[in-house]
Amino acid sequence: AQSVTQPDIHITVSEGASLELRCNYSYGATPYLFWYVQSPGQGLQLLLKYFSGDTLVQGIKGFEAEFKRSQSSFNLRKPSVHWSDAAEYFCAVGAGYNQGGKLIFGQGTELSVKP
Amino acid sequence: DAEITQSPRHKITETGRQVTLACHQTWNHNNMFWYRQDLGHGLRLIHYSYGVQDTNKGEVSDGYSVSRSNTEDLPLTLESAASSQTSVYFCASSDPRQGREETQYFGPGTRLLVL
Repeated sequence: AQSVTQPDIHITVSEGASLELRCNYSYGATPYLFWYVQSPGQGLQLLLKYFSGDTLVQGIKGFEAEFKRSQSSFNLRKPSVHWSDAAEYFCAVGAGYNQGGKLIFGQGTELSVKP
Repeated sequence: DAEITQSPRHKITETGRQVTLACHQTWNHNNMFWYRQDLGHGLRLIHYSYGVQDTNKGEVSDGYSVSRSNTEDLPLTLESAASSQTSVYFCASSDPRQGREETQYFGPGTRLLVL
């Protein structure tokens, strides 16, 4: 069965420091992978997505993620965190367009940013 | 601009009452989804629809129903609200014509409290 694991429930980083949020997936075929961000009281906003090709994907707000098939991982990174990045981050794996585009989400990682 | 809206944004109801949460999108997307978000569980799929008159059960469908009478709307009904259904509910839509790059876009969410 498909699954997504985000091992870190809560991470705190200092403003200006680098960030890496971990995501591991279990999926039998080529996965479609997504990162979404949810600011407090808001809906989910798409940060970036991977379907195929270059394994390093650039997203909005200075985020990037790297797909590593050998490690079944799709970790999200940002070189310098801003206070406005404090939010909850969700990794998701897609079942593919031929399965109706359904998503399976990880449990989420809450990011706090220290001044 | 095309968008996806949910109403109400906040709702308090009593155990046993029927509640309907609205979801409306103006992208003309065929695929629509309802999720609930609970601490420690991320987002879980309740119901989904691939077009008018089509509805399907998701992972946590017990106690919920949906109907799809047009492309734009997918209302979610709680037949007899229970305290276990206190949650934040998100609606999403996607365009299957995107093929492999089908991506879900989310509404702002409805926070439901069942007393």
